Amino acid sequence: DAMVIQNPRYQVTQFGKPVTLSCSQTLNHNVMYWYQQKSSQAPKLLFHYYDKDFNNEADTPDNFQSRRPNTSFCFLDIRSPGLGDAAMYLCATSRGLPTAGYYNEQFFGPGTRLTVL
Amino acid sequence: GQQLNQSPQSMFIQEGEDVSMNCTSSSIFNTWLWYKQEPGEGPVLLIALYKAGELTSNGRLTAQFGITRKDSFLNISASIPSDVGIYFCAGPSSNTGKLIFGQGTTLQVKP
Repeated sequence: DAMVIQNPRYQVTQFGKPVTLSCSQTLNHNVMYWYQQKSSQAPKLLFHYYDKDFNNEADTPDNFQSRRPNTSFCFLDIRSPGLGDAAMYLCATSRGLPTAGYYNEQFFGPGTRLTVL
Repeated sequence: GQQLNQSPQSMFIQEGEDVSMNCTSSSIFNTWLWYKQEPGEGPVLLIALYKAGELTSNGRLTAQFGITRKDSFLNISASIPSDVGIYFCAGPSSNTGKLIFGQGTTLQVKP
C-alpha cells in the first residue's frame, strides 16, 4: 500500500543535542510537509517542499531545518532542541499545490513523538 | 487571517449514539477536509468535500459542505468505541493554499 512512513516513532534526545527525524513516502507526491503538534492542538506547519523548492513558514524558528534529497525522502533537523520543542512531529504529502489546481488532500504519516530531557 | 471554529470542543457519549460536530468560518472555503486522529498517531483523512451542498458518506460517517461555503458538518451514526479520537476539520487558505485546521473535537465513547 502507498503510504507515508516516519522513523523513528519515538525519539528521545538531550537538551541541545541535534536530532534528525525522517519521513519517506511511496505515493510519489510532489509536495512534502513538516508539522509540529503539541498536546491535542491542531498541527502547525513548519515548512514544505514542492519538489526541491523549500518554503519556510515565517514563524518557524531557525533551529528547525529540513532536507529533501530526493522525491521519496524528507528530513527534519533540530539543531539544538529545547524543552519547548518536545512535541509530535508529523510529515504529510500532497500530489501538488492547490494554487496549481490540485486538490488539497494531504496524507499524514504516523508521526514521531520527540522527548527532550 | 482565515480561521476555522469547531464545535463542540469535546463530547462524551454512550456507544450506539449518533454524533454531530461542525466547523464554521467567517470566510469562504472551496474545500473542506475532515480528519480523525487517534492517540499517538497521525491524522487520517476521512472525507473530502469540494462542492457547495455536497453530501458525502464513508461508512457510518457523513459530511456536508455548507451551501454558504462557510461551514461543514460531520455526523457519525451508531458510535462504537473505536470512534474515539480527535476530529479535525481543515480547509485551504484562499491566499496560500496551505491547510488551516480547526481546533478539533475530542470524542470519547463509553462502551
